[in-house]
Amino acid sequence: DADVTQTPRNRITKTGKRIMLECSQTKGHDRMYWYRQDPGLGLRLIYYSFDVKDINKGEISDGYSVSRQAQAKFSLSLESAIPNQTALYFCATSPSSQTQGDYGYTFGSGTRLTVV
Amino acid sequence: QKEVEQDPGPLSVPEGAIVSLNCTYSNSAFQYFMWYRQYSRKGPELLMYTYSSGNKEDGRFTAQVDKSSKYISLFIRDSQPSDSATYLCAMTVSGGYNKLIFGAGTRLAVHP
Repeated sequence: DADVTQTPRNRITKTGKRIMLECSQTKGHDRMYWYRQDPGLGLRLIYYSFDVKDINKGEISDGYSVSRQAQAKFSLSLESAIPNQTALYFCATSPSSQTQGDYGYTFGSGTRLTVV
Repeated sequence: QKEVEQDPGPLSVPEGAIVSLNCTYSNSAFQYFMWYRQYSRKGPELLMYTYSSGNKEDGRFTAQVDKSSKYISLFIRDSQPSDSATYLCAMTVSGGYNKLIFGAGTRLAVHP
């Protein structure tokens, strides 16, 4: 099984619908992140959580909300989806301190979301 | 102006070529620098991790950091078709476990 699992892998939804993307991890990392990736813009941070009781906005949080249900679970919601939220969404995790051999982020395989 | 600038390419090279990928940045406080490789339909995976200035080598890959110029590079020697992917630079102020700032990614195609 993958260290970071995202569901669904693909989703097509209509404008105005609420949608939830889910992320679970088996890395045992405290920190979790949601990014969106658009061609030419790279990865942009939506929300991040440094532990279960800590939620922070990233650079593009408008129109999104998150929930950290447990150390291993971090979900992203689009309250009322709009077409310009069509993108590839990635969840990532990282440790909370430098651990030998465990650097940087571990990413999931992504969710391709299309809003029509 | 973005904090991290990276030419999106695409870059197309023949098999066996030496590839040079680069990023520039504006925040002089960045100290940790990473390169991620992303295959199509996959999430990015960590390729190289360096701290401060200098070079780091791992097989066919060399990461180079020049903090005085705010410039980082990734060199790939003897490039292979399996190296075809998007390469993203990333950096942070205080450790690879903190909030990373990513470049836009450079798409590389290595053709046989």
